[in-house]
Amino acid sequence: AQSVTQLDSQVPVFEEAPVELRCNYSSSVSVYLFWYVQYPNQGLQLLLKYLSGSTLVKGINGFEAEFNKSQTSFHLRKPSVHISDTAEYFCAVSEVNTGFQKLVFGTGTRLLVSP
Amino acid sequence: SQTIHQWPATLVQPVGSPLSLECTVEGTSNPNLYWYRQAAGRGLQLLFYSVGIGQISSEVPQNLSASRPQDRQFILSSKKLLLSDSGFYLCAWTEGQGRDTEAFFGQGTRLTVV
Repeated sequence: AQSVTQLDSQVPVFEEAPVELRCNYSSSVSVYLFWYVQYPNQGLQLLLKYLSGSTLVKGINGFEAEFNKSQTSFHLRKPSVHISDTAEYFCAVSEVNTGFQKLVFGTGTRLLVSP
Repeated sequence: SQTIHQWPATLVQPVGSPLSLECTVEGTSNPNLYWYRQAAGRGLQLLFYSVGIGQISSEVPQNLSASRPQDRQFILSSKKLLLSDSGFYLCAWTEGQGRDTEAFFGQGTRLTVV
């Protein structure tokens, strides 16, 4: 079974500052990795995903994430945040070799961007 | 283009009352469908998934059930709601096997059981 840990429940940051949202996972098999964003009272939207290849993945809205297999981490970064980035961010994994996708989510990190 | 509709957006129900949440997908055929729940202070938990009409898999034992009467319709139900059923319910779909593809989510239903 897989599990995902997002240690920071809330990350406050000032506008135009850099931010890193941490994600660690545990799995005995290979997984795909995802970051989703949820704006208030809305569904989730995919930010980026890691399937294979380059460990640095670029997504929408200027976000990127780096897969580190040895540390089983997939941290999300943005060099300069905007007020509009205020949202909840979820890290998720999906087992590679199953015949069906079952996303396992972390508990989420609320990013609060202030002026 | 594909769209996913989920309703109602909010719902307040008394304990012991029945529940029916509906989700429909447009613009695709034979999607894989999912129901997730997001409880306060917790991540999203997969409740049910379906690979086809009448095919339902349950991930977590609970007070809820799901049905797929049509290819692009997924319904979440309960005969008698509990306080612990409160949460934000999200419907989602993926194409094909979906292991590595994007999951598309509905706008969600916020259920408060009182």
